Amino acid sequence: DVKVTQSSRYLVKRTGEKVFLECVQDMDHENMFWYRQDPGLGLRLIYFSYDVKMKEKGDIPEGYSVSREKKERFSLILESASTNQTSMYLCASRLASTDTQYFGPGTRLTVL
Amino acid sequence: AQRVTQPEKLLSVFKGAPVELKCNYSYSGSPELFWYVQYSRQRLQLLLRHISRESIKGFTADLNKGETSFHLKKPFAQEEDSAMYYCALIESSGRRALTFGSGTRLQVQP
Repeated sequence: DVKVTQSSRYLVKRTGEKVFLECVQDMDHENMFWYRQDPGLGLRLIYFSYDVKMKEKGDIPEGYSVSREKKERFSLILESASTNQTSMYLCASRLASTDTQYFGPGTRLTVL
Repeated sequence: AQRVTQPEKLLSVFKGAPVELKCNYSYSGSPELFWYVQYSRQRLQLLLRHISRESIKGFTADLNKGETSFHLKKPFAQEEDSAMYYCALIESSGRRALTFGSGTRLQVQP
């Protein structure tokens, strides 16, 4: 069974803080993704990583950056958190030769 | 750019009633479509994909290229079907990232 884990289920931060969201997968998947999930908007892709040290902007990358130093770990960074980044963040991974994405449980981030 | 539209935010039906969750898409290439489901307190997971032409948990979905639709259907809803359902489209080339619709919450009442 593929396991995608995220470092926190709930996180509360203050405006202006630097925030790190961590995602780890245990199935040697090349591709990893970060989405945010908002009511009425569905899931929107923030960043995508093809493989280690390879990243590509998604549809809403503004205010975010990512890091992929090891194959199993994909980090999402909010350089200076703002209230409009309050959301549910979902990480996913995928074997490059397939289309099925496996999702983590999500991190609900609140920025005060 | 591709787009996925789910016109209903909430669909409420009684147990045993038929269910149809609507999904329309726009994409210039040859689409590959999926339905993902998220049950309460569980992670998002793949329900079915149009390529497989399979039935999962009694759900089916047919790709209609003429109407650019991929509606999810089940003849007799069960209470355990209550969940959030997302229709998604994958790009046929390049990054092959998923584009999701806004989701439909299905409530099956007893």
